[in-house]
Amino acid sequence: DIVMTQSPLSLPVTLGQPASISCRSSQGLVHSDGNTYLTWFQQRPGQSPRRLIYKVSNRDSGVPDRFSGSGSGTDFTLKISRVEAEDVGVYYCLQDRQWPRTFGQGTKVEIK
Amino acid sequence: QVQLVESGGGLVKPGGSLRLSCEASGFTFSDHYMTWIRQSPGKGLEWVSYISGSGSTIYYADSVRGRFTISRDNAKNSLYLQMNSLRAEDTAMYYCARGDYAYWGQGTLVTVSS
Repeated sequence: DIVMTQSPLSLPVTLGQPASISCRSSQGLVHSDGNTYLTWFQQRPGQSPRRLIYKVSNRDSGVPDRFSGSGSGTDFTLKISRVEAEDVGVYYCLQDRQWPRTFGQGTKVEIK
Repeated sequence: QVQLVESGGGLVKPGGSLRLSCEASGFTFSDHYMTWIRQSPGKGLEWVSYISGSGSTIYYADSVRGRFTISRDNAKNSLYLQMNSLRAEDTAMYYCARGDYAYWGQGTLVTVSS
């Protein structure tokens, strides 16, 4: 199975400051179709997960442009350019390249 | 608008069975593969099972293979998860998600306890 390792697991951030979450996969996520199937989710307290970013860097409709995804191969990053109060929650990466699909452990973002 | 509504969760004894349902609306259900994902209390997300749009291709996580069965009824726009031989470690919120993960339901809670 592909292991997804996120860091840090806890991320206290000052409002208005940037935040960065790393996600590393134990194997490359490039599919034979040329796409890289790495997805980011946000889960606010008490809510269902919400997809933020798909195929590494494609932002979903309605997702603020302060969120961005980047990376290639086995190293991926989710960045929040300026953290706002509504960004508090847990962020997960998911590899959609190989069965079984696997999630990272989650990174809890909180306000300092 | 796209909606996914899960139901069927509840309290069940170890070794018991439960059938979860997920009713979809707002999109052409048969065009999309579907996924079940679960989250144990206070824990992270765990992918459970996948089914293609036609139902012909199915995958399971090792932790549930042989005990859980995913199925769908495209005429009813519904996805199912039959869960047998339930264990305490199956206690979780179970979410259905459209295959591209763009849409999730609100979840249904399964508690396995004597």
